[in-house]
Amino acid sequence: DVKVTQSSRYLVKRTGEKVFLECVQDMDHENMFWYRQDPGLGLRLIYFSYDVKMKEKGDIPEGYSVSREKKERFSLILESASTNQTSMYLCASGAFYEQYFGPGTRLTVT
Amino acid sequence: AQSVTQPDIHLTVSEGASLELRCNYSYGATPYLFWYVQSPGQGLQLLLKYFSGDTLVQGIKGFEAEFKRSQSSFNLRKPSVHWSDAAEYFCAVGPNAGGTSYGKLTFGQGTILTVHP
Repeated sequence: DVKVTQSSRYLVKRTGEKVFLECVQDMDHENMFWYRQDPGLGLRLIYFSYDVKMKEKGDIPEGYSVSREKKERFSLILESASTNQTSMYLCASGAFYEQYFGPGTRLTVT
Repeated sequence: AQSVTQPDIHLTVSEGASLELRCNYSYGATPYLFWYVQSPGQGLQLLLKYFSGDTLVQGIKGFEAEFKRSQSSFNLRKPSVHWSDAAEYFCAVGPNAGGTSYGKLTFGQGTILTVHP
């Protein structure tokens, strides 16, 4: 079975803090994705990566950056967290168009 | 750009009743189509997918979906709902364009399903 793990299920941070969300997959997938999920808005793509050190912006990249130094690991970085980044963050990895999701990190910024 | 619409934000059905969740997409060609389910507090799980061929696809947990090109729809169905089916359901599309799409999906807004005993 494909396994995608995320470093934290719940996270509380203060405004202005630098936040790291980590995602690890064990299926040697080329593609990895970061989404945020908000009620009524579905999943919105923040960034994705199609290879080590390769990344592209998704639909809502502002305020975020990413890092992929190893194939299995994809990190989402909030350089200076703000309250409007309070959300559920979902990581996925995929082969072709089939994406496999981690359990999510619920981030609260106070 | 492609888009996905799930017209029903919330749906309530009784246990044992049939279920149909609607999904409409906008895309210039036939896209790849998916349904995912998210149980409370969990990530998304793939229920079924359509790439080509038979327009009626079977998935896990007794779900099926039918692709209707003329209606740009990919509705999810189940003949008899169980209480454990209460969850949020997402329809998603991917461009059938090969090349540099990198497996990106566009998701609908989701439908929250409540099941009454």
